[in-house]
Amino acid sequence: GQNIDQPTEMTATEGAIVQINCTYQTSGFNGLFWYQQHAGEAPTFLSYNVLDGLEEKGRFSSFLSRSKGYSYLLLKELQMKDSASYLCAIENSGNTPLVFGKGTRLSVIA
Amino acid sequence: GAVVSQHPSWVICKSGTSVKIECRSLDFQATTMFWYRQFPKQSLMLMATSNEGSKATYEQGVEKDKFLINHASLTLSTLTVTSAHPEDSSFYICSARDSLAGGLYEQFFGPGTRLTVL
Repeated sequence: GQNIDQPTEMTATEGAIVQINCTYQTSGFNGLFWYQQHAGEAPTFLSYNVLDGLEEKGRFSSFLSRSKGYSYLLLKELQMKDSASYLCAIENSGNTPLVFGKGTRLSVIA
Repeated sequence: GAVVSQHPSWVICKSGTSVKIECRSLDFQATTMFWYRQFPKQSLMLMATSNEGSKATYEQGVEKDKFLINHASLTLSTLTVTSAHPEDSSFYICSARDSLAGGLYEQFFGPGTRLTVL
């Protein structure tokens, strides 16, 4: 089987840095995606990692360790608009759909 | 990035009626589309994988006779909720797959359809 774990909720202060962790167990792992989802809207793509290491894209960075089954999403210089759910999703080999974690609801406070 | 549209964005219907939701890939061809359902404060749950020109593959626990999926072309998949009941009220989201460098297939999501069954 497969399993994806993320914290359910997190709170952080505007301007700060927050790290959202994701651990997974699966077979045939191909890559890991992070999506952002605002309430009542569809998810939007943030990043993907295939190889170990850090991928930086503006205020957002994502890290992957394949051997540890671990990833994190790092958000810098938090803004109020970053309040959303952040979904970790894994892709297994073959033309299979992404498997999503339950998501982490981030609240950014002043 | 690639654009996926859904129609309608929201629908309210009476119990027992059927509702059709369309999912279109606007600027790319999608041999595979996925249908998800999301209840409030929960994650996306995959309902079925829709393959162009063939039957959909349904996830365990999803009734194929209740949720009819048709993928007649490379840019259109439809989900029909037949004989809808209040417990079918949910946010239905489709996604379509396009290729990325390195063999990863990013899924682009439609804006979702909020279904309310009275």
